[in-house]
Formats: sequence, structure tokens, C-alpha cells
Amino acid sequence: AQTVTQSQPEMSVQEAETVTLSCTYDTSENNYYLFWYKQPPSRQMILVIRQEAYKQQNATENRFSVNFQKAAKSFSLKISDSQLGDTAMYFCAFMRVNAGNMLTFGGGTRLMVKP
Amino acid sequence: DTAVSQTPKYLVTQMGNDKSIKCEQNLGHDTMYWYKQDSKKFLKIMFSYNNKELIINETVPNRFSPKSPDKAHLNLHINSLELGDSAVYFCASSRTSGENIQYFGAGTRLSVL
Repeated sequence: AQTVTQSQPEMSVQEAETVTLSCTYDTSENNYYLFWYKQPPSRQMILVIRQEAYKQQNATENRFSVNFQKAAKSFSLKISDSQLGDTAMYFCAFMRVNAGNMLTFGGGTRLMVKP
Repeated sequence: DTAVSQTPKYLVTQMGNDKSIKCEQNLGHDTMYWYKQDSKKFLKIMFSYNNKELIINETVPNRFSPKSPDKAHLNLHINSLELGDSAVYFCASSRTSGENIQYFGAGTRLSVL
């Protein structure tokens, strides 16, 4: 079974600064996908970024980027130029290939962006 | 147009009742899912379903059953509700292959009294 660990239950950052959220996972699979989802107070789950394990290049989406270290089974999320609207719960998630595409989530990190 | 829609958004009911939560997606996806988010915000997969197979998380009680009248719908039926069923339930959908990003509904907060 896969497990996903987010070791930071809560974090805060000043507006316009950079913050990194940690995620580690445990799997014996070689081919899989990793995701970061954001859940603002509205409760909606919003995809932030997606990484394919067979791609060495780190995924980026505007102010969001990941540091994917496959050997270390680490998948951290960096948010640059933090904005007030980034305040949310952030969930790291793992997906095995060909296993119903089910997501295994970490416990989440609550991020507060301060003005 | 809401891509994945769930109804109702809030559901308050008594222990022992049977209830359903509806989910519809208009994205043309062929796989749909149900997740449960508990009071500590922990999200756990309950079911994955496409027209070929249903995959059930083994920890889900058999009081929970997904019902799919067609590819665009996956409803969640719950029998004999218990206090511990109180949670937020999320529906999601995706393509089975290729771009496998899951798109989530807004969630249904179920409160069992």
C-alpha cells in the first residue's frame, strides 16, 4: 500500500515571499503520478500541479513549482510571490498507474498567507 | 457550467436513515470516484468506477454503495446511517487513460444526528 506524508500541519508566509511545502511518499511502484491539490475555505478541491514519475523535469505552473526527487520519494511544492488567495489547505496525492486511478492523499498542510 | 456537480451541498439526517448523494459530470469522463473527508480534513478514496469495473476501498462498510445509471452519473447511497458517517463527501471524475487529472465536485457535508 502507498502512504503519503505531509510533515507540516500548518505553515505561514508573508505576502510576496516564497514558501515550500513538504511531501514524502512510500511506494514500490516505478510508474506513478503525483499531484498537489489546493482546498480553500470554499471547500472546493483545485488541482495545483501534476508530475509524472517517469519525467525527470520538475513540473511548473506559473508561481507554483515542484522539486521531485524520485530516489528520495520526495515531492515538495514551492509557491513563489505568495498571494492572499493562496491561503488554503494543500494536499499532496499519489496515484498508481492502472489501479483504478485512485488518489492516496497526505494529511494536508494548512497555509496562511499574511498581509 | 459546473463540470462536476453534487447535490445536495448539505445533508442533515438522523441515525438509521438511508440517504443518497447525487453526482453528475459533464466532462465526458469515463471514470468517477467518491472520497470521504473527515473532521480532521483527511481525504480517503471510497470507490473508483468506470463502465468496466468497480474498485472498492476495503475499509468502506457495505452500507455504502455507488450506483451509476449512466457514464455521467455516480450516486452514493448510504444505508443505516451512523454518527461516524458524518463527513464531507466528494465526487470526482477523470479520463481512465491519458490526462488522468481528477476534477472534484464542491462536496456534500453530511451530518448524522
